[in-house]
Amino acid sequence: AQSVTQLDSQVPVFEEAPVELRCNYSSSVSVYLFWYVQYPNQGLQLLLKYLSGSTLVKGINGFEAEFNKSQTSFHLRKPSVHISDTAEYFCAVSIKAAGNKLTFGGGTRVLVKP
Amino acid sequence: DAGVIQSPRHEVTEMGQEVTLRCKPISGHNSLFWYRQTMMRGLELLIYFNNNVPIDDSGMPEDRFSAKMPNASFSTLKIQPSEPRDSAVYFCASSLHPLGSGNEQYFGPGTRLTVT
Repeated sequence: AQSVTQLDSQVPVFEEAPVELRCNYSSSVSVYLFWYVQYPNQGLQLLLKYLSGSTLVKGINGFEAEFNKSQTSFHLRKPSVHISDTAEYFCAVSIKAAGNKLTFGGGTRVLVKP
Repeated sequence: DAGVIQSPRHEVTEMGQEVTLRCKPISGHNSLFWYRQTMMRGLELLIYFNNNVPIDDSGMPEDRFSAKMPNASFSTLKIQPSEPRDSAVYFCASSLHPLGSGNEQYFGPGTRLTVT
């Protein structure tokens, strides 16, 4: 079975500073990888996903992530954060044999300070 | 498109009462997922359906929980009887199925359930 580990439960960061959220996964088969964001009192929405091809994936709101197969990682980055990026971020994986069933990490809460 | 619709948005009930949560997936989507989110356990998949058929219900906590999808545009999650430990936010999500496509899931706004 696959699993996802988000190494940081909380990340405080100042406005306009860069941020990196770490995600590692384990799976014995090829995976699809996703990052979702959850703003306060809302559902999750997709930031970006990796299916195949280029390992650098660009998403919405200036976020990007890099797939590293050898390190089984899919870290999320943004070069300059805004107050509005305060939210919880979830990394998730799915495998072909499981259709679109997702396995989520525990989430990383990002607090952007002025 | 209106997105995934869930009702009610908030539910407060007393222990022992029956609770029914409702979900309308995005039109044309043929996979539907029910999740539960708590501070202690994070985001847990309870059950998912493909083409209205339950595929994996291994995440359903116990027999008090049941889910149905009578047609492609409606699903329910029922808790009977409810207990305080069922208090959580319940999310419904939908996606286009085909197997192994990597299609993303679209989440509803959630139902915040409080059982007193």
